[in-house]
Amino acid sequence: KQEVTQIPAALSVPEGENLVLNCSFTDSAIYNLQWFRQDPGKGLTSLLLIQSSQREQTSGRLNASLDKSSGRSTLYIAASQPGDSATYLCAVQNSGYALNFGKGTSLLVT
Amino acid sequence: GAGVSQTPSNKVTEKGKYVELRCDPISGHTALYWYRQSLGQGPEFLIYFQGTGAADDSGLPNDRFFAVRPEGSVSTLKIQRTERGDSAVYLCASSWGQGWEQYFGPGTRLTVT
Repeated sequence: KQEVTQIPAALSVPEGENLVLNCSFTDSAIYNLQWFRQDPGKGLTSLLLIQSSQREQTSGRLNASLDKSSGRSTLYIAASQPGDSATYLCAVQNSGYALNFGKGTSLLVT
Repeated sequence: GAGVSQTPSNKVTEKGKYVELRCDPISGHTALYWYRQSLGQGPEFLIYFQGTGAADDSGLPNDRFFAVRPEGSVSTLKIQRTERGDSAVYLCASSWGQGWEQYFGPGTRLTVT
């Protein structure tokens, strides 16, 4: 069974700092990996999708990398802003449909 | 275009009652998914539809849970004889097909008293 772990569980940084969120998974036979943002009491907003054949994806200030062989992905956020405060979830897809989620990293930018 | 919508946004029901939760996917998306999220946890997969058929319902916790998608668009998650442990946020997602990016709705917060 795929296990997804996100470290750290919570993070507080001053505005303007660059930061890295980590995601690890136990089964490297993945279809793709998706990063989401979740604001309190809200649904999930898709940030980036990385296919298993890709190494990274970029969208604005966000960059996600994937190292399938080591079972790791990182989400890099450049020049953080207070509006980036949210919970960030990593999800791995093994079967082509069901997403396996980590518990998330709660980010606070002050 | 419109995103995934879910109704109701909140549902409070008494233990033992029956509830229905509705999901309207993005127009044209053939794949639809239901997940359940408990407080402090990531969402957990419940069921996946490709078109009208449930391709995988292995995540449904027991036979009190059932979902339908009769015309390949709107889906309804049905919970019979609700229990307090069913309290959670129920999330619906849709995608163009298997392996495509999934887009989530705002969720239905179910509280069983």
